[in-house]
Amino acid sequence: DAGVTQSPTHLIKTRGQHVTLRCSPISGHKSVSWYQQVLGQGPQFIFQYYEKEERGRGNFPDRFSARQFPNYSSELNVNALLLGDSALYLCASRLKAEAFFGQGTRLTVV
Amino acid sequence: QKEVEQDPGPLSVPEGAIVSLNCTYSNSAFQYFMWYRQYSRKGPELLMYTYSSGNKEDGRFTAQVDKSSKYISLFIRDSQPSDSATYLCAMSLNDYKLSFGAGTTVTVRA
Repeated sequence: DAGVTQSPTHLIKTRGQHVTLRCSPISGHKSVSWYQQVLGQGPQFIFQYYEKEERGRGNFPDRFSARQFPNYSSELNVNALLLGDSALYLCASRLKAEAFFGQGTRLTVV
Repeated sequence: QKEVEQDPGPLSVPEGAIVSLNCTYSNSAFQYFMWYRQYSRKGPELLMYTYSSGNKEDGRFTAQVDKSSKYISLFIRDSQPSDSATYLCAMSLNDYKLSFGAGTTVTVRA
């Protein structure tokens, strides 16, 4: 079975631009969460979606938004990129309490 | 005070030694506890998952949860150079967001 897949794997953007990151969960998993991991720190929760509805949001500005599609895949959008948005963005797929992560998208803002 | 505290290390041990990792937490409502292994620039890989207090063993890995002390541990027996990675503890109330420690960097010397 395929695990959690994320695309793209790497991305370089300029300050002020917009970015869209994509995630496909493990087959049968209806919950998708997004995390931001800055170098040297643990992942920080951004959003959780379940059955296409937002279940929770972390302490991130409104520049961050997400959605989940009928096939349970998800997109994370970030507007007006700042240098501080440079990080590894992780998607997690959950069936119950265990969370499985994708390989992440490394975003560099220059 | 951070919700989850984890000593970032680094921790260096000789091959074959026992690696001992631990985290403390402040939220007594946490019920689900996980340990992840993360290689450089990769997504976290779920190693161990435990619910509530007690011990769980899986091969060379043993996870312990002491809810009365708000303390969790991971032990790696017969450590190998391939165990060199960053180890992240994570916990959650239910199937909602995960709260992570900062991660401990481990090097196993051949």
